[in-house]
Amino acid sequence: DTEVTQTPKHLVMGMTNKKSLKCEQHMGHRAMYWYKQKAKKPPELMFVYSYEKLSINESVPSRFSPECPNSSLLNLHLHALQPEDSALYLCASSLTQGADEQYFGPGTRLTVT
Amino acid sequence: TQLLEQSPQFLSIQEGENLTVYCNSSSVFSSLQWYRQEPGEGPVLLVTVVTGGEVKKLKRLTFQFGDARKDSSLHITAAQPGDTGLYLCAGGTSYGKLTFGQGTILTVHP
Repeated sequence: DTEVTQTPKHLVMGMTNKKSLKCEQHMGHRAMYWYKQKAKKPPELMFVYSYEKLSINESVPSRFSPECPNSSLLNLHLHALQPEDSALYLCASSLTQGADEQYFGPGTRLTVT
Repeated sequence: TQLLEQSPQFLSIQEGENLTVYCNSSSVFSSLQWYRQEPGEGPVLLVTVVTGGEVKKLKRLTFQFGDARKDSSLHITAAQPGDTGLYLCAGGTSYGKLTFGQGTILTVHP
């Protein structure tokens, strides 16, 4: 089973809202990732968690706040977003950080109005 | 900074034609992955190549990794409309970051 699940599938939020994206995997992977993807462009890395600790933050604005409650779950908390933050947000996991094969979830399509 | 140049950026062909997508870099990667992504979905891992000179086949798809582990290619034989999508190559590093190519948008017309 190489499945990563993400909820919700679609999210529309105003610039003053607070919302959260959720990601789950049950492959026993110890590295989890958040990516942002604009249309017809490659994914851009945002955060990496390794063994439930934040390992990499790619200078992401503080209006994005990641959280890793346990080894299977990854959240991305959103607050005071801008319209330019509208994108497909992808979660991925790999056996360990540094293991090249990353498995992606289906993504959350976020629209900020 | 490691870069992956992927070409062509766009490819529009008729069903039954063959095509090749290239991924080139001046840097050595520990591995190369190829992903396929459909609109509104996440990338799906097609293959990982690790050894220089390696060739892997997945039905009508053939993947090659260059001898120096700096380049890779994806060849599709007898393309079908179901092959339509965004194809991404990604180079692996030791610290968990994937370097993505810019992607190839493939459209196969019936």
